[in-house]
Amino acid sequence: DAMVIQNPRYQVTQFGKPVTLSCSQTLNHNVMYWYQQKSSQAPKLLFHYYDKDFNNEADTPDNFQSRRPNTSFCFLDIRSPGLGDAAMYLCATSRDLVGTGRETQYFGPGTRLLVL
Amino acid sequence: QQQVKQSPQSLIVQKGGIPIINCAYENTAFDYFPWYQQFPGKGPALLIAIRPDVSEKKEGRFTISFNKSAKQFSLHIMDSQPGDSATYFCAARGATNKLIFGTGTLLAVQP
Repeated sequence: DAMVIQNPRYQVTQFGKPVTLSCSQTLNHNVMYWYQQKSSQAPKLLFHYYDKDFNNEADTPDNFQSRRPNTSFCFLDIRSPGLGDAAMYLCATSRDLVGTGRETQYFGPGTRLLVL
Repeated sequence: QQQVKQSPQSLIVQKGGIPIINCAYENTAFDYFPWYQQFPGKGPALLIAIRPDVSEKKEGRFTISFNKSAKQFSLHIMDSQPGDSATYFCAARGATNKLIFGTGTLLAVQP
């Protein structure tokens, strides 16, 4: 089945220790997103890739970076995690078709990050 | 203008009841309104979606009612079941193609 896969599902890191979360998709969608979701809150968009073009949200801290080496994979790098970065990180994908716009976003299962 | 207001924050219904979750928006440029269902520890899953040229859409037990003039839309769950207990997010897609999420509604369906 076509899907959005996130690894690992749970990640424990230490305060200040860099961590990388990964996302892969078999949907062949050209747009990939990273969201941060804290407990009892809505997902908050960090950035997205439209094909290879990176689009950062204005309020995303510099501590968060992303890489998209190819269509299928996208990585979220947190350079120096703080306690406030503990959250669920969600990857989503969508397809943007010329003339019809961007279709529905499909979310992965998320990676729960714990910062000690 | 970019906000989507969602209510109630939480909702408890008995099995078989019809929970209704409401959302309101201001930006008339929004052109697509999905609802997502999220279980604890899982990612949001698309439940149903509607475009503003349609007043109602039904998929199984889930119905979206859309009132373009009032800039409001709502989700109705018919014959609710305990397995429907989850957090529900409405969203709206703007001109930048980003999704603007509501604040979420925690639904509990009691047996």
